Amino acid sequence: KAGVTQTPRYLIKTRGQQVTLSCSPISGHRSVSWYQQTPGQGLQFLFEYFSETQRNKGNFPGRFSGRQFSNSRSEMNVSTLELGDSALYLCASSLGPDRGNTIYFGEGSWLTVV
Amino acid sequence: DAKTTQPPSMDCAEGRAANLPCNHSTISGNEYVYWYRQIHSQGPQYIIHGLKNNETNEMASLIITEDRKSSTLILPHATLRDTAVYYCIVLAGNMLTFGGGTRLMVKP
Repeated sequence: KAGVTQTPRYLIKTRGQQVTLSCSPISGHRSVSWYQQTPGQGLQFLFEYFSETQRNKGNFPGRFSGRQFSNSRSEMNVSTLELGDSALYLCASSLGPDRGNTIYFGEGSWLTVV
Repeated sequence: DAKTTQPPSMDCAEGRAANLPCNHSTISGNEYVYWYRQIHSQGPQYIIHGLKNNETNEMASLIITEDRKSSTLILPHATLRDTAVYYCIVLAGNMLTFGGGTRLMVKP
């Protein structure tokens, strides 16, 4: 079956612009989480959605936001881009928030801010 | 949240078993141990997870000590393609907290 699909894979934006990244979870998965990976900070949790509701949020400024649709697909948005937002953005999905579920990652979206 | 401690790097000879240790001494009774690996520039790949019993799948085995304060990931016959950063994570809710991981280098 298809894995977690993220689009676009690569993109370049200018400081001050905004960006929207998309994630399609594995079929049947209703929980979606987002992570940011940078060389300096490593992999950091952004937020988690289940049944269109944000359940958890990491320590990121309000410029970072997300949402989940009724079909479990999710988007994250970063407004007023800064150079430091250049990173690999990863989406992960699982059946739900219950402990013990397997969590699968997509290949990520590489964002470069210039 | 329970934290994990892993050696920053390890070497393994190709064809030999790779044993990657992880300490999680503050783990709670209902928290699972997850292992992922990441090859440069790719998304983390799920390997295995467990609660208290040892687990085995087609990729690896997970040995969890009886007191659950540590675990070992075993790759039975390491290949060059197993060179990656391996992350041991104690899952809090549905949020994975990644540490620095262990950089495993499989050498011919």
